[in-house]
Amino acid sequence: EPEVTQTPSHQVTQMGQEVILRCVPISNHLYFYWYRQILGQKVEFLVSFYNNEISEKSEIFDDQFSVERPDGSNFTLKIRSTKLEDSAMYFCASSRRLVGETQYFGPGTRLLVL
Amino acid sequence: AQSVAQPEDQVNVAEGNPLTVKCTYSVSGNPYLFWYVQYPNRGLQFLLKYITGDNLVKGSYGFEAEFNKSQTSFHLKKPSALVSDSALYFCAVNAGNMLTFGGGTRLMVKP
Repeated sequence: EPEVTQTPSHQVTQMGQEVILRCVPISNHLYFYWYRQILGQKVEFLVSFYNNEISEKSEIFDDQFSVERPDGSNFTLKIRSTKLEDSAMYFCASSRRLVGETQYFGPGTRLLVL
Repeated sequence: AQSVAQPEDQVNVAEGNPLTVKCTYSVSGNPYLFWYVQYPNRGLQFLLKYITGDNLVKGSYGFEAEFNKSQTSFHLKKPSALVSDSALYFCAVNAGNMLTFGGGTRLMVKP
C-alpha cells in the first residue's frame, strides 16, 4: 500500500537556523499539505499546495515558512529562521482530490529548536 | 469557521467491552467528517469518514462511527475493545483545503 514518507524523522537545530523538512507524497495524489502538532496540543493546518502553488494557508504559515515541490516526487517545508516555538511534530499529507477526500499522513518529523 | 470538540481527554475501557469516543463538530455547509488514530511515535492513520449516505460508517479494525446531524455529532464506536486499540484518536472536519482537528482522546483498553 502506498505511503507518505518524511525525512528526517528527527531534527535538532539552533534558533535562527534554516531547516528543510522533506516529504514524498503518494504518487498519484495531486494535493499536498503540511500540519504541525506542538507537544500536547492539537494537530494544526499550516498550508495546502496544488498545481505548484499554495491554495490555502493558515495564520501560522507566516513569511518564515515556504513550501516547494522541487521535482516530481518531493514536497518540502522550509523554515527560514527557526524560533523556539517552532518545536513541534510536522506532518505531511496528500490526497487525490480536495473536499471530502481522505488525506493520508506521513509519520512526521520531530523538530526541536534549541 | 469550522471546529471540532472531543469532550473527553481520556477514555478507559476493559478489553472486550464496547467503546465510544465522542466528537461534536461545527461547520457551515455539508460536513465531511473523519477519524484518525495515532500510535506512539507514528503518524496519523485514517480510520473512517462520513461524506454522505448512511449515518453509520464502517472503517478499519472493526471501528464504526455514527453521524447525527441534529446533534452535530460523529462518535466513534467499537463493539468489543482490544488492548491493541489503545492509542490517541482524533476527529476532524474537512472544509475547503484543510482538516480541522479536535484535541484528541486517549483510549486506554485494559486487559
